[in-house]
Amino acid sequence: QKEVEQDPGPLSVPEGAIVSLNCTYSNSAFQYFMWYRQYSRKGPELLMYTYSSGNKEDGRFTAQVDKSSKYISLFIRDSQPSDSATYLCAMSVPNNNNDMRFGAGTRLTVKP
Amino acid sequence: DAGVIQSPRHEVTEMGQEVTLRCKPISGHDYLFWYRQTMMRGLELLIYFNNNVPIDDSGMPEDRFSAKMPNASFSTLKIQPSEPRDSAVYFCASSPGTGDYGYTFGSGTRLTVV
Repeated sequence: QKEVEQDPGPLSVPEGAIVSLNCTYSNSAFQYFMWYRQYSRKGPELLMYTYSSGNKEDGRFTAQVDKSSKYISLFIRDSQPSDSATYLCAMSVPNNNNDMRFGAGTRLTVKP
Repeated sequence: DAGVIQSPRHEVTEMGQEVTLRCKPISGHDYLFWYRQTMMRGLELLIYFNNNVPIDDSGMPEDRFSAKMPNASFSTLKIQPSEPRDSAVYFCASSPGTGDYGYTFGSGTRLTVV
């Protein structure tokens, strides 16, 4: 079993839809959770960063962490064609930023 | 800041040739990482440096791979000899430190070995 599991998709939604992207993990020591967005032929870029359980909102994006279930989510409201990209979850243990584990990435297409 | 800069963007080489990938991290970032990305295996950490010193190279697949960081503003990843199975996108990333800030990735080098 992989330490971080992420459904690779692909996921296709119409413009304006609410998108839910998810990851599960097995290492209970993870406390820092990140979402990266990767456009085609580009490097991943940090999108959201959360610590421990709870929600964090940034514009149309909401990151949610449920440590009891070892489950994290990224919600995108009012999705736009420009949101079409691959979304990777990532997580690390405290004070060990160098040991970040990435999910496989979910490929999202938002159709106009 | 120009971000993490990688060169070349694309490299096509014949099997058996030496390949050198280059990276300039963000100024002031103490950590530098080399990753490889493929469809089958996703993002794999190859090696990382702290203050120019290699810390963990356990992800380097074989002795054909080597990495150096002669100074704080430059790193190389070398493959010698290259093989078709080395074809992938190679990313360099840098980070300010252990404050859990996340990584800043470069645009990657797409390597094709024929």
